[in-house]
Amino acid sequence: DQQVKQNSPSLSVQEGRISILNCDYTNSMFDYFLWYKKYPAEGPTFLISISSIKDKNEDGRFTVFLNKSAKHLSLHIVPSQPGDSAVYFCAAIIGGSNYKLTFGKGTLLTVNP
Amino acid sequence: ETGVTQSPTHLIKTRGQQVTLRCSSQSGHNTVSWYQQALGQGPQFIFQYYREEENGRGNFPPRFSGLQFPNYSSELNVNALELDDSALYLCASTEGHSNTEAFFGQGTRLTVV
Repeated sequence: DQQVKQNSPSLSVQEGRISILNCDYTNSMFDYFLWYKKYPAEGPTFLISISSIKDKNEDGRFTVFLNKSAKHLSLHIVPSQPGDSAVYFCAAIIGGSNYKLTFGKGTLLTVNP
Repeated sequence: ETGVTQSPTHLIKTRGQQVTLRCSSQSGHNTVSWYQQALGQGPQFIFQYYREEENGRGNFPPRFSGLQFPNYSSELNVNALELDDSALYLCASTEGHSNTEAFFGQGTRLTVV
């Protein structure tokens, strides 16, 4: 049972435009969400996170939005750059058992020059 | 400050054999978590070690076992290897058992033939 879902396996955007990566979750106990970026032959790298008490968190070109009622979060990258091309994983944590990250399957983002 | 390092980077084993994967945690981190990433999937939590004791376990059979040493490095052992064990095995280290600040190694690619 996939508790964190990334329904788009891939996304292609032009350099300079906005990239929007989506993530849905089913477990209402999740209260902290993270986005990781992964290049080939490297481990995932933490990008940005958001607590369930917030609906937006911004860090430079990256913004994460959380809609708790819809159990949906999205990552916006503006402007997109070719170096952003990677697999992006959405992950979630239940506060009481915060040793375990539950990941989605990932979305491959390709930013074309 | 050294990052998380894993060894080996690749290996091939035969079904039924046993394998040991190793992870050195980031300097100052006392907790190591292990994840399995099968092809086309997101990482799945195997277990976590905090101060040399198992601190949580995912839905993996007992033939997946681990150790953590006094220097906080860790081993993942898999007995009676099956073809489905072929995957990228990721190690993540944190300071304390919260995974909200997890740093991942580059992974070990295990192929079982």
